[in-house]
Amino acid sequence: EDQVTQSPEALRLQEGESSSLNCSYTVSGLRGLFWYRQDPGKGPEFLFTLYSAGEEKEKERLKATLTKKESFLHITAPKPEDSATYLCAVTDTGNQFYFGTGTSLTVIP
Amino acid sequence: DTGVSQDPRHKITKRGQNVTFRCDPISEHNRLYWYRQTLGQGPEFLTYFQNEAQLEKSRLLSDRFSAERPKGSFSTLEIQRTEQGDSAMYLCASSLRTPYSNQPQHFGDGTRLSIL
Repeated sequence: EDQVTQSPEALRLQEGESSSLNCSYTVSGLRGLFWYRQDPGKGPEFLFTLYSAGEEKEKERLKATLTKKESFLHITAPKPEDSATYLCAVTDTGNQFYFGTGTSLTVIP
Repeated sequence: DTGVSQDPRHKITKRGQNVTFRCDPISEHNRLYWYRQTLGQGPEFLTYFQNEAQLEKSRLLSDRFSAERPKGSFSTLEIQRTEQGDSAMYLCASSLRTPYSNQPQHFGDGTRLSIL
């Protein structure tokens, strides 16, 4: 079965301290890799879609990249409001979405 | 607001009771998904519809779970004879299916179910 593994499970950063979150996947026939942000008590909020290796997307302090086996979410100079759980999901030719367990990010002022 | 809407936001019920949740997707989206999420885990896929057709239901957790989307618009998820283990957040998402790619899903804020 398709699998998605995210690391680290939790990450604490000082404000302004850049870092990266990892999402590794095994899927037959990748049809898309998605990054979401989830705040406590809320549904996941869509951030990025990546469809092919080498693709990159940026939004404010976030940048997502994709290779054939993994994706990275780079956070540059994070702020406390970036604190959330970041989820990665993949979809395959069967049109189902598989989510990882997420990385809980805390940015300390 | 034209996002995905779920109702109710919270449901508390006694073990053995039946519960039903409603999801109203983004109007132009033709796909609708149901997920379950427990604390510290990512969303777990349950079932999905394309228009009114339920295209995948093998991952519903048991035969106590069922979903409908009668007119291809809103959907309901029903859990019969609830058990303590059913306590979780139930999320609905919708997306637009295009011929060549899977577009991102957009989620509602979920229904939190608590079984006493």
